[in-house]
Amino acid sequence: KQEVTQIPAALSVPEGENLVLNCSFTDSAIYNLQWFRQDPGKGLTSLLLIQSSQREQTSGRLNASLDKSSGRSTLYIAASQPGDSATYLCAAFNAGNNRKLIWGLGTSLAVNP
Amino acid sequence: NAGVTQTPKFRVLKTGQSMTLLCAQDMNHEYMYWYRQDPGMGLRLIHYSVGEGTTAKGEVPDGYNVSRLKKQNFLLGLESAAPSQTSVYFCASSWGASNYGYTFGSGTRLTVV
Repeated sequence: KQEVTQIPAALSVPEGENLVLNCSFTDSAIYNLQWFRQDPGKGLTSLLLIQSSQREQTSGRLNASLDKSSGRSTLYIAASQPGDSATYLCAAFNAGNNRKLIWGLGTSLAVNP
Repeated sequence: NAGVTQTPKFRVLKTGQSMTLLCAQDMNHEYMYWYRQDPGMGLRLIHYSVGEGTTAKGEVPDGYNVSRLKKQNFLLGLESAAPSQTSVYFCASSWGASNYGYTFGSGTRLTVV
């Protein structure tokens, strides 16, 4: 059974710091891994989608990597800003018979001015 | 703006009452999903649809019904609300099953008293 874990559950950093959010999954049979951002009281915004054949994806100050063999994905945020404060969720899309997104519980990020 | 629109945004129901949540998307997406989000439990899939006129059960379908009579709309019904259905409900849509990102609505916060 696929399980997705995000560590740490919460993170507080000063503005300008480069940071890494971690996502691990137990079953390497995935189609893709997706990172989302959720602001308080709001919906989810898709940030990056990494296909299973890819190693990384970049969008602006965000870079997501995928290592299927170790069951890990990381979201790298460069030069963090207070506007980056949000909860970041990762989700792995299962391959095989149980094709669906399996969600982590998220990392709550606070970037302090 | 193109996207996923959910109505209503907030609702308080008494136990035993019924209601329908509406999700509308204008991106011509084939797939649509209903999730609920609860503290400490992450996002859980209630029902989903792979095209107009189709519906399927997700992880937690009990107590909910859905319909997709038109491609752009996906309705979630609660026939007899229970306090356990107090949650934030999100609708999402995508082009296809596995290799496409999801677009989420802003959510409906439902309280059942």
